[in-house]
Amino acid sequence: QVQLVQSGTEVKKPGASVKVSCKASGYMFTSFYIHWMRQAPGQGLEWMAWINPYTGGTNDAQKFQGRVSVTRDPSIATVYMELRRLTSDDTAVYYCARCTHASGCDYWGQGTLVTVSS
Amino acid sequence: IQLTQSPSFLSASVGDRVTITCRASQDISSYLAWYQQKPGKAPKLLIYAASTLQNGVPSRFSGSGSGTEFTLTISSLQPEDFATYSCQQLNTYPLTFGGGTKVEIK
Repeated sequence: QVQLVQSGTEVKKPGASVKVSCKASGYMFTSFYIHWMRQAPGQGLEWMAWINPYTGGTNDAQKFQGRVSVTRDPSIATVYMELRRLTSDDTAVYYCARCTHASGCDYWGQGTLVTVSS
Repeated sequence: IQLTQSPSFLSASVGDRVTITCRASQDISSYLAWYQQKPGKAPKLLIYAASTLQNGVPSRFSGSGSGTEFTLTISSLQPEDFATYSCQQLNTYPLTFGGGTKVEIK
């Protein structure tokens, strides 16, 4: 069965970076884009970026002004999202998801809580 | 593209028919999905392409609309349906979500 399994909870200080992983299984890794979303406490979902696991090509939301990087390691079917220069506004649960324009986001990781606090 | 959901909060009873609206700030064709989210859990895809039911989702859920106005309908609310529902547009980057509709027990 399709699964996306994310790395665990992170606590970071302002100005630091965080790298969250998302390991895919149960389908052909290179066939579906992986997207990253986040959800701040009590807030709605926010789209951050996608990666094409086949080519490594990426696209991210302008809002993050180059602070986000998404990479992948096809040998272990894993995607990574790194967010740099963290502030308290980056405190959120971060999700990876398998998404297509036509069919939405059908599989999601379990979420990774990132807390930014001094 | 901004998505405006209404209402943001809804109180209903088991067996009620519930309708949630999602309005887009510009034409998104049928590139709209609906999700259900329970506390502490990841979103679950219910509807994609505005009206296509995701595999395994009960038929009491339905979606309609195109262009800028969309609706999610639950024909007969069940106890397990009390959750937050969000729409998402997949027509244009950045992808965006509506603010969510929390459905609570009356």
